[in-house]
Amino acid sequence: QITLKESGPTLVKPTQTLTLTCTFSGFSLSTSGVGVGWIRQPPGKALEWLALIYWDDDKRYSPSLKSRLTITKDTSKNQVVLTMTNMDPVDTATYYCAHLITMIVVVWGQGTLVTVSS
Amino acid sequence: EIVMTQSPATLSVSPGERATLSCRASQSVSSNLAWYQQKPGQAPRLLIYGASTRATGIPARFSGSGSGTEFTLTISSLQSEDFAVYYCQQYNNWPPGWTFGQGTKVEIK
Repeated sequence: QITLKESGPTLVKPTQTLTLTCTFSGFSLSTSGVGVGWIRQPPGKALEWLALIYWDDDKRYSPSLKSRLTITKDTSKNQVVLTMTNMDPVDTATYYCAHLITMIVVVWGQGTLVTVSS
Repeated sequence: EIVMTQSPATLSVSPGERATLSCRASQSVSSNLAWYQQKPGQAPRLLIYGASTRATGIPARFSGSGSGTEFTLTISSLQSEDFAVYYCQQYNNWPPGWTFGQGTKVEIK
């Protein structure tokens, strides 16, 4: 069974850097075709892709957020880390990590709500 | 960026009736289109990928069709557990990046 769980701060201040960790089980990020991605959803709004990383360390970023995002993986720990710099109140959202097979999001984590406020 | 437009925003349907949801892409995405279901307080769930292939465990009452810029999700006979928000998502190319539609809420009539 594939599971993913997001962890990190629930509250960050404006201008701070957000670091989120996705810890997963039931698959390996060293298997060909497998990826882990990050998607966010502001309260009451639609979903937005942020970044993803594949088994071969291929990384993709949202063009509009690329300058603020970094995604890394630790295959031995079954973890993927997303950092987002210069947080703003508009970045308040539920952040999801997800398991991909090639380009298909197969399983989502439960999500974690991050609030940006002073 | 490819813009995905879903219609209608809200669909009121009685249990047992058919629901038809539309998704339009601002440029061709071939068949690189997925549909997700999201219930309140839950993460989305994959229903359809490749525009028409049901994901594992998805009931046959869910079907997808279309290619290029026009796509449809049909729920043949709505069950109580199907009332939710449905999102389409294109995964044609990255860059510029994959994008979601704004969602269609299917509510009880």
